[in-house]
Amino acid sequence: NAGVTQTPKFQVLKTGQSMTLQCAQDMNHEYMSWYRQDPGMGLRLIHYSVGAGITDQGEVPNGYNVSRSTTEDFPLRLLSAAPSQTSVYFCASTRKGGYGYTFGSGTRLTVV
Amino acid sequence: GENVEQHPSTLSVQEGDSAVIKCTYSDSASNYFPWYKQELGKGPQLIIDIRSNVGEKKDQRIAVTLNKTAKHFSLHITETQPEDSAVYFCAAINTNAGKSTFGDGTTLTVKP
Repeated sequence: NAGVTQTPKFQVLKTGQSMTLQCAQDMNHEYMSWYRQDPGMGLRLIHYSVGAGITDQGEVPNGYNVSRSTTEDFPLRLLSAAPSQTSVYFCASTRKGGYGYTFGSGTRLTVV
Repeated sequence: GENVEQHPSTLSVQEGDSAVIKCTYSDSASNYFPWYKQELGKGPQLIIDIRSNVGEKKDQRIAVTLNKTAKHFSLHITETQPEDSAVYFCAAINTNAGKSTFGDGTTLTVKP
């Protein structure tokens, strides 16, 4: 049981480049979310999904896209990277009905 | 939307003392309240949770209390140990909506 797997662990991008952060879970969880964590600002919700084919915006969605074509995968796309997107990104999943999230180990992204 | 405030932002205690972290939430529809511990370089990990139909829950040295009327909940750690040093996050969730709102975190330092 791998839990939540995020790739890559580290990434450096140039301003204007695009990339996809991968997230996969093998626990058959319905709910998945993407958070970014900046120093002193806690975890801020970017996008979330309550099931395959269903996504919704969180509090900081601008500059990011998501899709949920399968229960297992929830990739996060940066459309045109900006220095303000330098952060640590966490993917998390949980089962429906009110349970704690299982977090991945994070992707540390630097945009120069 | 939901707003979660967490206090204090930093907390330093002597080994063996107790530590208390408090959170308030704004949305009366929130019905599930987990607490997470995040160690350096890792993703948050669920340590205890409480549902809105319960006032208190205990797991060894960790307890959580919930006051629905006042919309606040607290984490209590007794007999603290150096390995309790970490960042702790509270969250408030409306399980029908499927998304979590986190507090900004408390950095707990336990001095040996």
